[in-house]
Amino acid sequence: DAGVIQSPRHEVTEMGQEVTLRCKPISGHDYLFWYRQTMMRGLELLIYFNNNVPIDDSGMPEDRFSAKMPNASFSTLKIQPSEPRDSAVYFCASRFRTGELFFGEGSRLTVL
Amino acid sequence: AQSVTQPDIHITVSEGASLELRCNYSYGATPYLFWYVQSPGQGLQLLLKYFSGDTLVQGIKGFEAEFKRSQSSFNLRKPSVHWSDAAEYFCAVGNQGGKLIFGQGTELSVKP
Repeated sequence: DAGVIQSPRHEVTEMGQEVTLRCKPISGHDYLFWYRQTMMRGLELLIYFNNNVPIDDSGMPEDRFSAKMPNASFSTLKIQPSEPRDSAVYFCASRFRTGELFFGEGSRLTVL
Repeated sequence: AQSVTQPDIHITVSEGASLELRCNYSYGATPYLFWYVQSPGQGLQLLLKYFSGDTLVQGIKGFEAEFKRSQSSFNLRKPSVHWSDAAEYFCAVGNQGGKLIFGQGTELSVKP
């Protein structure tokens, strides 16, 4: 089975532009997580879903960030408008019930 | 509140030497504990996990960890380090059906 698939792997954009990151979880997994990784703050949980429903979005930094999960096989994380401080690696991870998290390879975002 | 502390930001060991990476957690209930490893430019890969039962757990790549409830610790060990073990290591704590909180990570360097 394919692992968690994220796209794009790298994104370079200018401040003020909209950024959309995509994630396809492992088939059959019922939890999906979005994390952000930076040198300064480490791995931060932004939001997670259970059966496509957002459960905890308390880690979303501000209203510029939004996440959706329209079906069990797809999720997006959107930043609008983007700012240089949003530059980071964004990871998507999925799991089945109480099992371990499986991570994608990440989307490296650079906002100029 | 849930938290994970990895006291060592960076550790250097000689190849063939033993390794212990420290992890302390704060959690209100019985924790699920994990160790993940991240190579540069990659996502996180699970090394081992503890849910219940035997407090000494074996993982992949020759790693093991011991859960000590009295010390709120879950230290990672390996008897003989290989150059390919150089990476960043993350300890994480969570609960059934909930989110995982990660420590800040420990970067491991291996001297030849």
